[in-house]
Amino acid sequence: DIVLTQSPATLSLSPGEGATLSCRASQSLGTYLAWYQQKPGQAPRLLIFDASNRATGIPARFSGSGSGTDFTLTISSLEPEDFAVYYCQQRSDWPPGGYTFGQGTKLELK
Amino acid sequence: QVQLVQSGTEMKKPGASVNVSCKTSGYTFTSYPIHWVRQVPGQGLEWLGWINVGNGNTRYSNKLQGRLTITRDTSASTAYMELSSLRSEDTAVYYCATLASTTEFDHWGQGTLVTVSS
Repeated sequence: DIVLTQSPATLSLSPGEGATLSCRASQSLGTYLAWYQQKPGQAPRLLIFDASNRATGIPARFSGSGSGTDFTLTISSLEPEDFAVYYCQQRSDWPPGGYTFGQGTKLELK
Repeated sequence: QVQLVQSGTEMKKPGASVNVSCKTSGYTFTSYPIHWVRQVPGQGLEWLGWINVGNGNTRYSNKLQGRLTITRDTSASTAYMELSSLRSEDTAVYYCATLASTTEFDHWGQGTLVTVSS
């Protein structure tokens, strides 16, 4: 199975600062990577799909980049509502139909 | 609007099986696969498996292969997950979801808490 490793595990920042979250895959994914945000008691919310495509309604301060094995989610200027847990998720071509999530990065208020 | 509505909270004893349903509306059920994802309280997301709703083909995570069965009833626009031989470590919130792939069609159920305890 493909393993996704997210770093850092926890990121402590203040509103207005920029955030950079990393996701590394154990084998090449092409651009088959998505990013989700999850707040306590809620289902995850899609932010980015296919590595760099922002989902409808997601603010422009969220951007995704990368391909192959290294991916990044960037939040340009943190708003109070951005403090949450972020997960990357892959869908692999081989073996076909396999999906996995990273272990998550908690973005907390400093 | 698109909705995925799951069945309610379940409490089971070790060794039992649990069935969770996921009733969909607001889109063509056979156009998108349904995935199942779980989350142990306080921990991360774990992908469990998916079903191609159009042809019924399934794929399961290696970890749950043999204990997990995903089915669907196209006439009822509903997907089902059955997990057998339950253990305490299966205690989690179980979600159904469409999960984005080449499109951003990504919708989640509200989650179903399954508690396994003697």
